[in-house]
Amino acid sequence: GQSLEQPSEVTAVEGAIVQINCTYQTSGFYGLSWYQQHDGGAPTFLSYNALDGLEETGRFSSFLSRSDSYGYLLLQELQMKDSASYFCAVIRGSTLGRLYFGRGTQLTVWP
Amino acid sequence: GAVVSQHPSWVICKSGTSVKIECRSLDFQATTMFWYRQFPKQSLMLMATSNEGSKATYEQGVEKDKFLINHASLTLSTLTVTSAHPEDSSFYICSARDQGGTGAAKNIQYFGAGTRLSVL
Repeated sequence: GQSLEQPSEVTAVEGAIVQINCTYQTSGFYGLSWYQQHDGGAPTFLSYNALDGLEETGRFSSFLSRSDSYGYLLLQELQMKDSASYFCAVIRGSTLGRLYFGRGTQLTVWP
Repeated sequence: GAVVSQHPSWVICKSGTSVKIECRSLDFQATTMFWYRQFPKQSLMLMATSNEGSKATYEQGVEKDKFLINHASLTLSTLTVTSAHPEDSSFYICSARDQGGTGAAKNIQYFGAGTRLSVL
């Protein structure tokens, strides 16, 4: 099995920086992904880490430490449209690439 | 970018009937697709891995006779909820990996918009 822990809620104001942490326990760990989901919508891919370190994609960055079973998503220059749920997900097994999601963090961005 | 189409987006059915949900990759081929279930304000739970041309792989605790999966082509997987009951009411989401993706891109899953199932 697997377990992932992330905060249930985070709030911030426009223009701020937010970090969403994720700790995990799993066998067959291959990588850590982050997905964004707006209410009632489809999850969309944000970032992926297979190796230790920081991956940067525009305003979003993601970090992974395999030795600590820990990762985070960093969102900079927050905008109102960033209000959504953010899920970390472990990838188990490189062949099929199955994703197992955390419970999600609801981010609310205030003006 | 890669697009996954899921149909229907919303369905209401009577208890005891079966419902089929389709998941199509529109601009890429996917030998592997995934089916998830999501309850309100909760996580996506992986139900099964759909493999083109072979049997699906079900997660522990998911009834394979209840949730029938067929993956007959490289662009289509279907999930049939058989003899639906009110407790099957949920949001069902499919995803697919682009088999042509290289490097990190091969680990990206593209999600359909989901199907909201309500069983009366």
